[in-house]
Amino acid sequence: QVQLVQSGAEVKKPGASVKVSCKASGYSFTSYAMHWVRQAPGQRLEWMGWINAGNGNTKYSQKFQGRVTITRDTSASTAYMELSSLRSEDTVVYYCARTQITIFGVVLGAFDIWGQGTMVTVSS
Amino acid sequence: EIVLTQSPGTLSLSPGERATLSCRASQSVSSSYLVWYQQKPGQAPRLLIYGASSRATGIPDRFSGSGSGTDFTLTISRLEPEDFAVYYCQQYGSSPPWTFGQGTKVEIK
Repeated sequence: QVQLVQSGAEVKKPGASVKVSCKASGYSFTSYAMHWVRQAPGQRLEWMGWINAGNGNTKYSQKFQGRVTITRDTSASTAYMELSSLRSEDTVVYYCARTQITIFGVVLGAFDIWGQGTMVTVSS
Repeated sequence: EIVLTQSPGTLSLSPGERATLSCRASQSVSSSYLVWYQQKPGQAPRLLIYGASSRATGIPDRFSGSGSGTDFTLTISRLEPEDFAVYYCQQYGSSPPWTFGQGTKVEIK
């Protein structure tokens, strides 16, 4: 079945970086975009950015520009999100989520499949 | 950045009742780009409605979406026990960031 499986929980020190993986299965990985969305406890979801898994193009939220890097390994059907210069406010759950890409290459924004989430804790 | 404001914050209803959830945008959103999700504790969100009114695969027809411009509505015609959860609206367009509302919690009365 179609699923996204994320890597496990992480504990990092302030100023460090974290890299979370998202392995896709059950569909053609390069035909879709992969997004990263995060959520603090009891808070609204926050979109971070996407990667077109086919051509590798990326788009990031201005809020995270310069701190986040989204990459993919097509041979492994896996997307990655790396967040640097971690601070306490980055202690949240990170999700990967899939969206469609139109035949014109436009990345759509309805997230139809989600990973299970990865908790990242930033603490000294 | 388009800000989405959902109301009410919490809706206390009984099974079998009708739920009406509102999502208001700070500026006009194309109906094609308005989405609703359901989230239960400890789980990832689940896609319910896309394009403001189209149900996602496998979503029961008691869920319906409507609206245009800056005002959108999610309606659950008759609440089932499994429908008690938090609901989020989301918009996306040509200019990021794509944003979510703060959520409406539907709880058992």
